[in-house]
Amino acid sequence: AQTVTQSQPEMSVQEAETVTLSCTYDTSESDYYLFWYKQPPSRQMILVIRQEAYKQQNATENRFSVNFQKAAKSFSLKISDSQLGDAAMYFCAYRSPSGGGADGLTFGKGTHLIIQP
Amino acid sequence: NAGVMQNPRHLVRRRGQEARLRCSPMKGHSHVYWYRQLPEEGLKFMVYLQKENIIDESGMPKERFSAEFPKEGPSILRIQQVVRGDSAAYFCASSPSSIPNNEQFFGPGTRLTVL
Repeated sequence: AQTVTQSQPEMSVQEAETVTLSCTYDTSESDYYLFWYKQPPSRQMILVIRQEAYKQQNATENRFSVNFQKAAKSFSLKISDSQLGDAAMYFCAYRSPSGGGADGLTFGKGTHLIIQP
Repeated sequence: NAGVMQNPRHLVRRRGQEARLRCSPMKGHSHVYWYRQLPEEGLKFMVYLQKENIIDESGMPKERFSAEFPKEGPSILRIQQVVRGDSAAYFCASSPSSIPNNEQFFGPGTRLTVL
């Protein structure tokens, strides 16, 4: 079974600065999908960014980018120019290729991101 | 296009009662996933359904829990004879297909409290 580990329960960053949230995972599969979800105080889960394992290029969505290191099984999220609205829980998630019997997302325990004004 | 709807948003039950949680996927989505989030934890996958079929229930407890997604109407997660340990937030997500790169769109969750 796959596992996802987020080793930082809480991170704090000054507004407008850059912060990196770490995520590692364990899998024996060669093809898979990785996601970062944001959960603000409203508890609504919002997709931030996704990465296909077969793609070597790191995904980027505006101020959000990832550093995907497949050999190291690492998938960190970098948030540039942090804004107050970025304050939330951030969850890293893994998904197997379809049909493998593991159709749901496997989530880490989350990192609570605090933005200091 | 309305998002994923879940109701109720908050549900209080006494031990031994039944809890029924409803999820209406986004329009055009025929794939539904249920997750449970315990306090201070990430979401844990419970079950994956397509219309009228359970595809993967590997994360769902064998006893007291059941799920359905009928041809008409919302998906239902049913918990019989609830216990205090069932207190959690239950999230439903939907997607238009089973392609693993597809985004799963999440509902706002139902927070179940068992007294």
